[in-house]
Amino acid sequence: NAGVMQNPRHLVRRRGQEARLRCSPMKGHSHVYWYRQLPEEGLKFMVYLQKENIIDESGMPKERFSAEFPKEGPSILRIQQVVRGDSAAYFCASSPTTYGYTFGSGTRLTVV
Amino acid sequence: GIQVEQSPPDLILQEGANSTLRCNFSDSVNNLQWFHQNPWGQLINLFYIPSGTKQNGRLSATTVATERYSLLYISSSQTTDSGVYFCAGGTSYGKLTFGQGTILTVHP
Repeated sequence: NAGVMQNPRHLVRRRGQEARLRCSPMKGHSHVYWYRQLPEEGLKFMVYLQKENIIDESGMPKERFSAEFPKEGPSILRIQQVVRGDSAAYFCASSPTTYGYTFGSGTRLTVV
Repeated sequence: GIQVEQSPPDLILQEGANSTLRCNFSDSVNNLQWFHQNPWGQLINLFYIPSGTKQNGRLSATTVATERYSLLYISSSQTTDSGVYFCAGGTSYGKLTFGQGTILTVHP
């Protein structure tokens, strides 16, 4: 049973480009969460999704960021028109219920 | 909103020493977890412990929900224990608020 799979592991984007981060939850896990970790900081909640539904997006920046978890395929975190301040590690976690997180290895986004 | 505070912010140990990390959290937290982020950035779930005591090898954790704190004990520390330890609290549906972490360095 593979763990939570995130790809790519590292992503470099120029300012103004789009970044797409993918997360495949563990088998049997229907809850997906995205967190952002800025350098030297703790993790900040961004969004909580279940299949085809956004449950809580209270941590998402109001502009340029969106997330989805379609019926088929991975969850996607999309950042449009990236800026240097978006450089961070983005972690996805999944759980079978509302507790018992398993985190992926993260995607390190660097905006140049 | 939920508040999670960890202490100490930094801890330096010699291999073999024991340590205690503390997490204070605000009301309404009923989903308390401890995580270890290793030097390569990977996050490992150590304990889901809304109350009571659990043990896993050299690590154990105790949460006293009525007094809103949790403790993580590391015994006979090893260099591989180095990294950042996060406490995170949440409500019933799973969104977690993370503390700022305790940076642990274990020297050989």
